[in-house]
Amino acid sequence: DTAVSQTPKYLVTQMGNDKSIKCEQNLGHDTMYWYKQDSKKFLKIMFSYNNKELIINETVPNRFSPKSPDKAHLNLHINSLELGDSAVYFCASSQHTSRNTEAFFGQGTRLTVV
Amino acid sequence: EDKVVQSPLSLVVHEGDTVTLNCSYEVTNFRSLLWYKQEKKAPTFLFMLTSSGIEKKSGRLSSILDKKELFSILNITATQTGDSAIYLCAVLSRAGGTSYGKLTFGQGTILTVHP
Repeated sequence: DTAVSQTPKYLVTQMGNDKSIKCEQNLGHDTMYWYKQDSKKFLKIMFSYNNKELIINETVPNRFSPKSPDKAHLNLHINSLELGDSAVYFCASSQHTSRNTEAFFGQGTRLTVV
Repeated sequence: EDKVVQSPLSLVVHEGDTVTLNCSYEVTNFRSLLWYKQEKKAPTFLFMLTSSGIEKKSGRLSSILDKKELFSILNITATQTGDSAIYLCAVLSRAGGTSYGKLTFGQGTILTVHP
């Protein structure tokens, strides 16, 4: 069973479109994240949710809107896609981030905006 | 702003060599330092370090943290081609104004091991 799963794995779309990436974790974790990995492989945090509540929003354009229907899911919706949004987006989860705990990552979604 | 810097950014070695990867950090409310290995897809967890001077070891990989000098090293001995990957250092700190943690990653070190 996949612990953190993202769909789709690949997404190719035109500029200006709106798209969503879904993430689900079956680890029973209470915290979920979205990270963006650019072409230089730098992983940068975008959002963090704990029990459906937004904890971290790292100066991400408001075209990006995370949605957490329950603590096992954190979806990412992107409006008006731009070329610079092309990257690999990773979802991750962890338990009790008030303590020391590692994050488990999904397999990533490679988004290409043309 | 929290900052994590890794060096070198890339490294090419031959099988059997020993490598040392470096990670320095400047964060407020430090909790722990983590190392991840990323091959083709998701980063996979290697080590978590919370205390200075205590080496963590797993097979040919080992890591240590210096909280006074704010850095960590990851050593890989007798490298193999399967060690080729991006090695990511991340620092877990308290997210400002909350009791929750935030993972900040370095740029990564791309390690290539030739046969």
